[in-house]
Amino acid sequence: NAGVTQTPKFQVLKTGQSMTLQCAQDMNHNSMYWYRQDPGMGLRLIYYSASEGTTDKGEVPNGYNVSRLNKREFSLRLESAAPSQTSVYFCASSPLPGDTDTQYFGPGTRLTVL
Amino acid sequence: GENVEQHPSTLSVQEGDSAVIKCTYSDSASNYFPWYKQELGKGPQLIIDIRSNVGEKKDQRIAVTLNKTAKHFSLHITETQPEDSAVYFCAARPLYNTDKLIFGTGTRLQVFP
Repeated sequence: NAGVTQTPKFQVLKTGQSMTLQCAQDMNHNSMYWYRQDPGMGLRLIYYSASEGTTDKGEVPNGYNVSRLNKREFSLRLESAAPSQTSVYFCASSPLPGDTDTQYFGPGTRLTVL
Repeated sequence: GENVEQHPSTLSVQEGDSAVIKCTYSDSASNYFPWYKQELGKGPQLIIDIRSNVGEKKDQRIAVTLNKTAKHFSLHITETQPEDSAVYFCAARPLYNTDKLIFGTGTRLQVFP
């Protein structure tokens, strides 16, 4: 089992460009999450999906959109990147619908917006 | 709102010594408390968790204790090794908001040989 995988590992964008971060899990988990991690601020929830076909906003959703493509995949889209979105992005998943019990993280995507 | 405070922010110990990291949570209804270890350039890894119906849980050199009355929980690492060096995060899951994890701000642990 690969667990939670994310692509790309690194990305540099110019202000105003768009991109999609991909996440997939092979553990048959129901819930999936997107976090961002900034120095001194810990992990902040951007969006989550409690089950296939549902998505909800987290703590910092502005400037992002998500798609739960199927049970395995959950993508995060930046429509018009801004320097404030420079961060490390982590995808995570957990077994139960709408429950963070036993949440596993991917390796992260380091994004720089110039 | 819900909050988790974590102390200390940095901790340096000699190899073989013990390390203790403490977290305090604000929502008394929280019922699940995981700990994550994050090595440089990697994602957080779940290392141990505890639920509100137990007071202590051990897994080899690591243990977690929970004091529900005081609303705090702690991570204990015994016989520390250089490979324990990492950032450790605590988190709490509110009972009435199970789709969230409230994270502490992290503790950078350095174990010196």
